[in-house]
Amino acid sequence: KAGVTQTPRYLIKTRGQQVTLSCSPISGHRSVSWYQQTPGQGLQFLFEYFSETQRNKGNFPGRFSGRQFSNSRSEMNVSTLELGDSALYLCASSFGSGHYGYTFGSGTRLTVV
Amino acid sequence: DQQVKQNSPSLSVQEGRISILNCDYTNSMFDYFLWYKKYPAEGPTFLISISSIKDKNEDGRFTVFLNKSAKHLSLHIVPSQPGDSAVYFCAATDAQGGSEKLVFGKGTKLTVNP
Repeated sequence: KAGVTQTPRYLIKTRGQQVTLSCSPISGHRSVSWYQQTPGQGLQFLFEYFSETQRNKGNFPGRFSGRQFSNSRSEMNVSTLELGDSALYLCASSFGSGHYGYTFGSGTRLTVV
Repeated sequence: DQQVKQNSPSLSVQEGRISILNCDYTNSMFDYFLWYKKYPAEGPTFLISISSIKDKNEDGRFTVFLNKSAKHLSLHIVPSQPGDSAVYFCAATDAQGGSEKLVFGKGTKLTVNP
């Protein structure tokens, strides 16, 4: 079966712009989580959606937002981009509890210049 | 504060020998612990997990040991193969805040030399 698909793979944006990243989970998976990976902070939890509802949110400013659609596809948006937002953004989906192993996509590499 | 710590940024071992990757945590409320493997330009791949009520879980060449009193876990890879060369992340599930999330360590880069 198809894995978790993230688009686009690479993105270059200018400070102050906004960006939208997309994630299509594995078919049947209703939970979608987003993580940010940077060299300094490692992998950090952004938010989690289940059945179109945000169930959990990490310690990120309000410029980071997301949503989930009825088909479980999810998008995350970052407004007013800052240089420090440059990172690999990873999406993960799971069927139930994550201790069976979340499945991650290959990520979107965002560079802010 | 970092709740999951991998204190060794890198590890180098010879093919066929044992690789031992270590992880410490501070939050006694963590429910499950997981290990992920990551190649460059790819997302993390789930390897193995262990419940906080167990002390060992084995899957093929991979074994995870959990010492709750020391808040320490380790991943053993036996025998190590060159294809195991990757960054390994230790993670824990945190169910506080309304739903489960993963808390990651910063990773250990494993190099297996032929």
